[in-house]
Amino acid sequence: QSALTQPPSASGSPGQSVTISCTGTSSDVGGYNYVSWYQQHPGKAPKLMIYEVSKRPSGVPDRFSGSKSGNTASLTVSGLQAEDEADYYCSSYAGSVVFGGGTKLTVL
Amino acid sequence: QVTLKESGPVLVKPTETLTLTCTVSGFSLSNARMGVSWIRQPPGKALEWLAHIFSNDEKSYSTSLKSRLTISKDTSKSQVVLTMTNMDPVDTATYYCARIFYVELRFDPWGQGTLVTVSS
Repeated sequence: QSALTQPPSASGSPGQSVTISCTGTSSDVGGYNYVSWYQQHPGKAPKLMIYEVSKRPSGVPDRFSGSKSGNTASLTVSGLQAEDEADYYCSSYAGSVVFGGGTKLTVL
Repeated sequence: QVTLKESGPVLVKPTETLTLTCTVSGFSLSNARMGVSWIRQPPGKALEWLAHIFSNDEKSYSTSLKSRLTISKDTSKSQVVLTMTNMDPVDTATYYCARIFYVELRFDPWGQGTLVTVSS
């Protein structure tokens, strides 16, 4: 399975919104509604932020939202805050599991 | 509270076999909805899913690493073990275990991770 494609970097100012894309194929992102997003701060373990494309686990701020169109899933962070600065990874069911290459989100 | 903790060697030599243990608490490995996955991350690089195991002993492995991986569980000890044979310096990474949900295939939560260095 090939890794999902994410932009290496994204940025925004505090209070702004930023969207991170995750592009796959009809065999993974496009074929199933099992896309998840993980946040990882430096030196820390990843944390689940979104699952099943758009569902938020309890405790995750509603500033984080997910969507999907065709073979591309997206994570939107609204009202950017300093603590949102982190690496973000998408994953999808693909018969097994495949991750994206990660996106470093910088809060300017 | 659900927690997972990885344990194993910090340093292994090339060609050796790596054995990692994930000890879980706060949920049972006999729970039909849940299992445990192993995921690794080389320094400065992306996450890579390795394998998972569910309560019914259903197992799945990364296609590219399948020949080198074995995952097993001891429900009574709340432990999941991953072995990786023929270790190489490119296998240097932080190895995480995480709870995985059967249908949604979401990883939540993750263990703290353990850095394994492969060097002679």
